[in-house]
Amino acid sequence: DIQMTQSPSSLSASVGDRVTITCRASQSIGNYLNWYQQKSGKAPKLLIFTASSLQSGVPSTFSGSGSGTDFTLTISSLQPEDFATYYCQQSYSMPRTFGQGTKVELK
Amino acid sequence: QVQLRESGPGLVKPSQTLSLTCTVSGGSISSAGYFWSWIRQHPGKGLEWIGYIYYSGGTYYNPSLTSRLTISVDTSKNHFSLKLTSVTAADTALYYCARGSGFHPADAFDIWGQGTMVTVSS
Repeated sequence: DIQMTQSPSSLSASVGDRVTITCRASQSIGNYLNWYQQKSGKAPKLLIFTASSLQSGVPSTFSGSGSGTDFTLTISSLQPEDFATYYCQQSYSMPRTFGQGTKVELK
Repeated sequence: QVQLRESGPGLVKPSQTLSLTCTVSGGSISSAGYFWSWIRQHPGKGLEWIGYIYYSGGTYYNPSLTSRLTISVDTSKNHFSLKLTSVTAADTALYYCARGSGFHPADAFDIWGQGTMVTVSS
């Protein structure tokens, strides 16, 4: 199985901050990397697919980059509604695997 | 718009079978280009992919669950189902169904149900 490792596991930030979350795959996965946002008590929501493509309806403050083994999710200006847990997920091979999550909290 | 809703017992006894159904509304489960998935989340933990099925019946299962898992589809009812046998407390989790969109490997889970909590306990 491909292991997905996110860092940090949690972070504290303020509204307006630029936030960066990293995801590393245990082997090269090309650009087959997706990002999800999960708010407390809710189902995950797709933000970014194939590393850098913004899902319809997702604000442009979210962006993704990377290829191979190292990927980044960036929130350019953190909004109150962005406090949540973020997960990366690889779609390169079976079984599909997720990172352990990064919780973004209010400083 | 397409919506998914999970249903099934919230409590299952150890060694019994966990059965859940995901009903698709607002669209056809037979639509080309989609596949239908189960994903679970243990309490306070991350996400674990269980498996998925195409409307044609083709399946992919997580190897860690293969021996206990069956995912099936009923296109006439526009729903798909999960059966997990011989459950233990380790199967206690929030179970989500989700739609997979895109052509492998450029696929992603773009629509999710709200999730249903299943507790394994006597």
